[in-house]
Amino acid sequence: EIVLTQSPGTLSLSPGERATLSCRASQDVSSGYLAWYQQKPGQAPRLLIYDTSRRATGIPDRISGSGSGTDFTLTISRLEPEDFAVYYCQQYRSSPETFGQGTKVEIK
Amino acid sequence: EVQLVESGGGLVKPGGSLRLSCVASGFTFTNAWMSWVRQTPGKGLEWVGRIKSKIDGGTTDYAAPVKGRFTISRDDSKNTLYLQMNSLTTEDTAVYYCGRARSGFYGAAWLDYWGQGSLVTVSS
Repeated sequence: EIVLTQSPGTLSLSPGERATLSCRASQDVSSGYLAWYQQKPGQAPRLLIYDTSRRATGIPDRISGSGSGTDFTLTISRLEPEDFAVYYCQQYRSSPETFGQGTKVEIK
Repeated sequence: EVQLVESGGGLVKPGGSLRLSCVASGFTFTNAWMSWVRQTPGKGLEWVGRIKSKIDGGTTDYAAPVKGRFTISRDDSKNTLYLQMNSLTTEDTAVYYCGRARSGFYGAAWLDYWGQGSLVTVSS
């Protein structure tokens, strides 16, 4: 199975700053079949990005995804208060679908 | 508005069984692939399994830790997805989410909508 490793584990930033989250795969995630989710305490994950860079419905354009092969990035250009949460990447290039362990973006 | 509402979670003893339900609304359930994902503090998010729409064959696929113990099924007349869990162990303790699955070319999928989750606790 494809193992996803996210870094850093925790990102401490201030509102208005740029957040860059990394997701590295143990094998090539061809066709860019990678998604990103946001999860807040007590809530279900919410889809942000699929196919590496396509934003889900209602996701603002300050949130973007990029990457290819084994290295993928989620970027939040200017952090808003509602962006402080945990973020997970997920690959769907092959079954079983797998998730990264998450990156927590916290207020500095 | 898409809604997925899980029910059926609770406390069960090791070796016991439990069935989760997920009622869908706001989209054409018959045409949808559906998945179950669970979450534990220690292991994070873990894919459990997936069922295709009947028009795509209605087949199921499972993660190795649950294969042979868990069964995913659907009742399209009731817009309902099920997860039958047998031979439960403490390792199965988690919040279980159902989600609408959108497939890539190779048959695996991402989830564009998630339910609110149902807590399953396996303990003696």
